[in-house]
Amino acid sequence: EAQVTQNPRYLITVTGKKLTVTCSQNMNHEYMSWYRQDPGLGLRQIYYSMNVEVTDKGDVPEGYKVSRKEKRNFPLILESPSPNQTSLYFCASSWTSGRAKTQYFGPGTRLTVL
Amino acid sequence: TQLLEQSPQFLSIQEGENLTVYCNSSSVFSSLQWYRQEPGEGPVLLVTVVTGGEVKKLKRLTFQFGDARKDSSLHITAAQPGDTGLYLCAGKPGGGADGLTFGKGTHLIIQP
Repeated sequence: EAQVTQNPRYLITVTGKKLTVTCSQNMNHEYMSWYRQDPGLGLRQIYYSMNVEVTDKGDVPEGYKVSRKEKRNFPLILESPSPNQTSLYFCASSWTSGRAKTQYFGPGTRLTVL
Repeated sequence: TQLLEQSPQFLSIQEGENLTVYCNSSSVFSSLQWYRQEPGEGPVLLVTVVTGGEVKKLKRLTFQFGDARKDSSLHITAAQPGDTGLYLCAGKPGGGADGLTFGKGTHLIIQP
């Protein structure tokens, strides 16, 4: 089954404790992306990757890091989480070619930083 | 960053009624997508429109892309409780730019 998986689905942590949210897709997509979704603000892109070893900042990259060492995986790293990073995070993937660029979303990770 | 304004932000109607949700921008998009998101899940693509003036139908849902490719609408006929969810529009900028710009969404509740 074609899918995007994220782990963990739920995480409660404390300020300053480094964490990683994993994302994996099995569709051989070149493009992967991380979003955060907050009430009243909608979905905002954090980082994206056009292919292996190619990453770029989205609209809200501060406080986040990403890496793309393999095509299928795109982890999101919070080196020193803060309470304002409490949010619902989504990973998405798609082909890079074509105007449509349909994005397939993971199930989301709900992060709470105390 | 190109902005997409969705209206209304919240809509609660009775089963069987018709409704229209709007997605507007001052910028041109090469394509526009509509997603539906249910609680606890990621957005799921409903449709992509790429040509100005294009109309696509998905059962009781009708999607239209504006002639100038700056706006779009979603019309639901005879709404059902299963249509309840958050509807998001997302535009791909023109000029070869990457990424999608999302609207803030319309929260739709269809009451039985």
